[in-house]
Amino acid sequence: GESVGLHLPTLSVQEGDNSIINCAYSNSASDYFIWYKQESGKGPQFIIDIRSNMDKRQGQRVTVLLNKTVKHLSLQIAATQPGDSAVYFCAEKNPGTYKYIFGTGTRLKVLA
Amino acid sequence: GAGVSQSPSNKVTEKGKDVELRCDPISGHTALYWYRQSLGQGLEFLIYFQGNSAPDKSGLPSDRFSAERTGGSVSTLTIQRTQQEDSAVYLCASSQASGRAGGQYFGPGTRLTVT
Repeated sequence: GESVGLHLPTLSVQEGDNSIINCAYSNSASDYFIWYKQESGKGPQFIIDIRSNMDKRQGQRVTVLLNKTVKHLSLQIAATQPGDSAVYFCAEKNPGTYKYIFGTGTRLKVLA
Repeated sequence: GAGVSQSPSNKVTEKGKDVELRCDPISGHTALYWYRQSLGQGLEFLIYFQGNSAPDKSGLPSDRFSAERTGGSVSTLTIQRTQQEDSAVYLCASSQASGRAGGQYFGPGTRLTVT
Protein backbone atom coordinates (compact mmCIF):
# COMPACT_ATOMS: atom_id res chain seq x y z
CA GLY A 1 0.00 0.00 0.00
CA GLU A 2 0.94 3.62 -0.02
CA SER A 3 3.42 4.70 2.60
CA VAL A 4 5.63 7.56 3.54
CA GLY A 5 8.60 6.72 5.70
CA LEU A 6 11.65 8.36 7.16
CA HIS A 7 15.22 7.07 7.16
CA LEU A 8 16.28 8.47 10.53
CA PRO A 9 13.94 8.35 13.50
CA THR A 10 16.18 10.60 15.62
CA LEU A 11 18.66 13.23 14.50
CA SER A 12 20.96 15.09 16.87
CA VAL A 13 22.78 18.18 15.60
CA GLN A 14 24.93 20.83 17.15
CA GLU A 15 23.45 24.29 17.43
CA GLY A 16 24.49 26.33 14.42
CA ASP A 17 25.01 23.34 12.18
CA ASN A 18 22.78 22.49 9.25
CA SER A 19 20.22 19.69 9.58
CA ILE A 20 18.97 17.38 6.90
CA ILE A 21 15.86 15.30 7.47
CA ASN A 22 14.99 12.68 4.90
CA CYS A 23 11.78 11.08 3.75
CA ALA A 24 10.98 8.33 1.26
CA TYR A 25 7.62 8.07 -0.42
CA SER A 26 6.27 5.11 -2.32
CA ASN A 27 3.60 6.55 -4.61
CA SER A 28 5.14 7.98 -7.76
CA ALA A 29 1.80 9.62 -8.57
CA SER A 30 1.99 11.94 -5.57
CA ASP A 31 2.16 15.51 -6.79
CA TYR A 32 2.26 17.56 -3.62
CA PHE A 33 4.44 17.26 -0.54
CA ILE A 34 4.51 19.07 2.77
CA TRP A 35 6.87 19.21 5.72
CA TYR A 36 5.37 19.74 9.15
CA LYS A 37 6.98 20.51 12.49
CA GLN A 38 5.37 19.22 15.66
CA GLU A 39 6.44 20.45 19.06
CA SER A 40 5.55 18.59 22.19
CA GLY A 41 1.88 18.95 23.09
CA LYS A 42 1.01 20.83 19.92
CA GLY A 43 -0.49 20.03 16.56
CA PRO A 44 1.71 19.86 13.46
CA GLN A 45 2.71 23.20 12.00
CA PHE A 46 3.16 23.77 8.27
CA ILE A 47 6.78 24.53 7.35
CA ILE A 48 7.13 24.34 3.61
CA ASP A 49 5.59 22.59 0.64
CA ILE A 50 6.61 21.62 -2.85
CA ARG A 51 4.82 20.48 -5.96
CA SER A 52 6.07 17.64 -8.11
CA ASN A 53 6.91 20.00 -10.99
CA MET A 54 9.68 21.47 -8.84
CA ASP A 55 12.81 19.91 -7.40
CA LYS A 56 13.76 22.61 -4.91
CA ARG A 57 12.01 25.26 -2.91
CA GLN A 58 13.45 27.62 -0.34
CA GLY A 59 11.94 29.31 2.64
CA GLN A 60 13.38 31.13 5.56
CA ARG A 61 16.27 28.94 6.76
CA VAL A 62 14.58 25.89 5.24
CA THR A 63 14.92 24.21 1.88
CA VAL A 64 12.96 21.27 0.55
CA LEU A 65 14.45 19.06 -2.12
CA LEU A 66 12.43 16.62 -4.18
CA ASN A 67 14.00 13.79 -6.15
CA LYS A 68 11.23 12.09 -8.09
CA THR A 69 13.59 9.59 -9.66
CA VAL A 70 14.20 7.89 -6.33
CA LYS A 71 11.04 9.15 -4.64
CA HIS A 72 12.93 11.03 -1.98
CA LEU A 73 12.16 14.22 -0.12
CA SER A 74 14.45 16.11 2.22
CA LEU A 75 14.20 19.09 4.51
CA GLN A 76 17.29 21.15 5.13
CA ILE A 77 17.42 23.53 8.05
CA ALA A 78 20.24 26.06 8.02
CA ALA A 79 21.95 27.20 11.20
CA THR A 80 19.85 24.96 13.41
CA GLN A 81 18.59 26.62 16.57
CA PRO A 82 17.30 25.17 19.87
CA GLY A 83 13.80 26.20 18.82
CA ASP A 84 14.04 23.81 15.90
CA SER A 85 13.93 20.84 18.25
CA ALA A 86 10.74 18.99 17.38
CA VAL A 87 9.39 16.05 15.42
CA TYR A 88 9.29 16.61 11.68
CA PHE A 89 6.80 14.86 9.41
CA CYS A 90 6.62 14.67 5.68
CA ALA A 91 3.28 14.17 3.97
CA GLU A 92 2.28 13.39 0.41
CA LYS A 93 -0.89 13.81 -1.55
CA ASN A 94 -2.05 12.28 -4.81
CA PRO A 95 -3.62 14.42 -7.53
CA GLY A 96 -7.35 14.76 -7.36
CA THR A 97 -7.53 13.45 -3.83
CA TYR A 98 -7.87 15.05 -0.47
CA LYS A 99 -6.07 12.48 1.61
CA TYR A 100 -2.63 13.27 2.99
CA ILE A 101 -0.37 10.37 3.90
CA PHE A 102 2.02 11.07 6.74
CA GLY A 103 5.24 9.40 7.71
CA THR A 104 6.10 8.35 11.25
CA GLY A 105 8.30 11.38 11.87
CA THR A 106 11.91 12.23 12.73
CA ARG A 107 12.83 13.74 16.06
CA LEU A 108 15.37 16.54 15.74
CA LYS A 109 17.42 17.29 18.84
CA VAL A 110 19.54 20.41 18.86
CA LEU A 111 22.55 20.21 21.15
CA ALA A 112 23.79 23.40 22.78
CA GLY B 1 -7.68 35.40 13.22
CA ALA B 2 -8.15 32.41 15.46
CA GLY B 3 -6.68 29.09 14.49
CA VAL B 4 -8.22 25.66 14.73
CA SER B 5 -9.44 24.92 18.23
CA GLN B 6 -10.30 21.61 19.81
CA SER B 7 -12.01 20.65 23.01
CA PRO B 8 -11.46 19.21 25.45
CA SER B 9 -7.68 19.33 25.47
CA ASN B 10 -7.56 16.24 27.65
CA LYS B 11 -10.16 13.58 28.28
CA VAL B 12 -9.92 10.63 30.61
CA THR B 13 -12.73 8.15 30.38
CA GLU B 14 -13.55 4.69 31.57
CA LYS B 15 -13.63 1.78 29.19
CA GLY B 16 -17.10 1.37 27.72
CA LYS B 17 -18.12 5.02 28.00
CA ASP B 18 -18.89 7.26 25.03
CA VAL B 19 -16.88 10.41 24.29
CA GLU B 20 -17.37 13.40 22.04
CA LEU B 21 -14.48 15.44 20.70
CA ARG B 22 -15.07 18.84 19.19
CA CYS B 23 -13.27 20.76 16.46
CA ASP B 24 -13.75 24.40 15.50
CA PRO B 25 -12.02 25.00 12.18
CA ILE B 26 -10.74 28.28 10.83
CA SER B 27 -13.62 30.40 9.58
CA GLY B 28 -14.16 29.94 5.87
CA HIS B 29 -12.27 26.67 5.61
CA THR B 30 -14.43 24.21 3.75
CA ALA B 31 -12.25 21.14 4.21
CA LEU B 32 -11.92 19.48 7.62
CA TYR B 33 -9.89 16.43 8.58
CA TRP B 34 -9.69 14.20 11.64
CA TYR B 35 -6.51 12.27 12.42
CA ARG B 36 -5.40 10.02 15.22
CA GLN B 37 -1.85 10.03 16.54
CA SER B 38 -0.65 7.30 18.85
CA LEU B 39 2.44 7.83 20.98
CA GLY B 40 5.55 8.07 18.84
CA GLN B 41 3.61 7.43 15.67
CA GLY B 42 2.61 9.38 12.61
CA LEU B 43 -0.81 10.68 11.83
CA GLU B 44 -3.52 8.18 10.93
CA PHE B 45 -6.23 9.60 8.68
CA LEU B 46 -9.73 9.05 10.03
CA ILE B 47 -12.23 11.09 8.01
CA TYR B 48 -12.49 14.07 5.70
CA PHE B 49 -15.31 16.59 5.34
CA GLN B 50 -15.96 18.89 2.42
CA GLY B 51 -18.62 21.20 3.74
CA ASN B 52 -21.01 19.02 5.73
CA SER B 53 -20.42 15.94 3.61
CA ALA B 54 -17.92 13.21 4.34
CA PRO B 55 -16.82 11.73 1.00
CA ASP B 56 -14.43 9.34 2.69
CA LYS B 57 -15.00 7.62 6.01
CA SER B 58 -12.72 4.72 5.25
CA GLY B 59 -10.19 5.72 7.90
CA LEU B 60 -12.59 5.26 10.79
CA PRO B 61 -11.26 2.22 12.71
CA SER B 62 -14.63 0.67 13.53
CA ASP B 63 -18.35 1.35 13.64
CA ARG B 64 -17.84 2.71 17.15
CA PHE B 65 -16.39 5.82 15.53
CA SER B 66 -18.56 8.42 13.85
CA ALA B 67 -18.26 12.08 12.96
CA GLU B 68 -20.48 14.84 11.81
CA ARG B 69 -20.12 18.43 10.72
CA THR B 70 -22.83 21.03 10.87
CA GLY B 71 -23.15 24.40 9.16
CA GLY B 72 -19.94 23.75 7.31
CA SER B 73 -18.10 24.61 10.49
CA VAL B 74 -17.94 22.72 13.79
CA SER B 75 -17.26 19.00 13.70
CA THR B 76 -17.76 16.36 16.37
CA LEU B 77 -15.98 13.02 16.51
CA THR B 78 -17.84 10.49 18.63
CA ILE B 79 -16.38 7.28 19.97
CA GLN B 80 -18.87 4.85 21.46
CA ARG B 81 -18.03 2.15 23.98
CA THR B 82 -14.44 3.30 24.23
CA GLN B 83 -11.66 0.74 24.41
CA GLN B 84 -8.14 1.13 25.75
CA GLU B 85 -6.72 0.98 22.23
CA ASP B 86 -8.64 4.17 21.47
CA SER B 87 -6.21 6.07 23.69
CA ALA B 88 -4.38 8.55 21.48
CA VAL B 89 -4.23 12.20 20.50
CA TYR B 90 -7.03 13.13 18.12
CA LEU B 91 -6.09 15.97 15.80
CA CYS B 92 -8.33 18.09 13.66
CA ALA B 93 -7.16 20.14 10.70
CA SER B 94 -8.84 22.47 8.26
CA SER B 95 -7.93 23.96 4.92
CA GLN B 96 -9.48 26.33 2.43
CA ALA B 97 -10.23 23.53 0.00
CA SER B 98 -9.00 20.05 -0.53
CA GLY B 99 -6.20 19.66 -2.99
CA ARG B 100 -5.02 23.24 -2.74
CA ALA B 101 -1.52 24.25 -1.85
CA GLY B 102 -0.76 25.53 1.62
CA GLY B 103 -1.47 22.37 3.50
CA GLN B 104 -3.68 22.06 6.50
CA TYR B 105 -3.89 24.01 9.71
CA PHE B 106 -3.94 21.77 12.74
CA GLY B 107 -5.52 22.23 16.12
CA PRO B 108 -3.66 21.35 19.32
CA GLY B 109 -5.40 18.00 19.60
CA THR B 110 -7.42 16.19 22.24
CA ARG B 111 -5.52 13.67 24.30
CA LEU B 112 -7.86 10.78 25.04
CA THR B 113 -7.00 8.29 27.75
CA VAL B 114 -9.23 5.27 28.24
CA THR B 115 -8.73 3.56 31.59
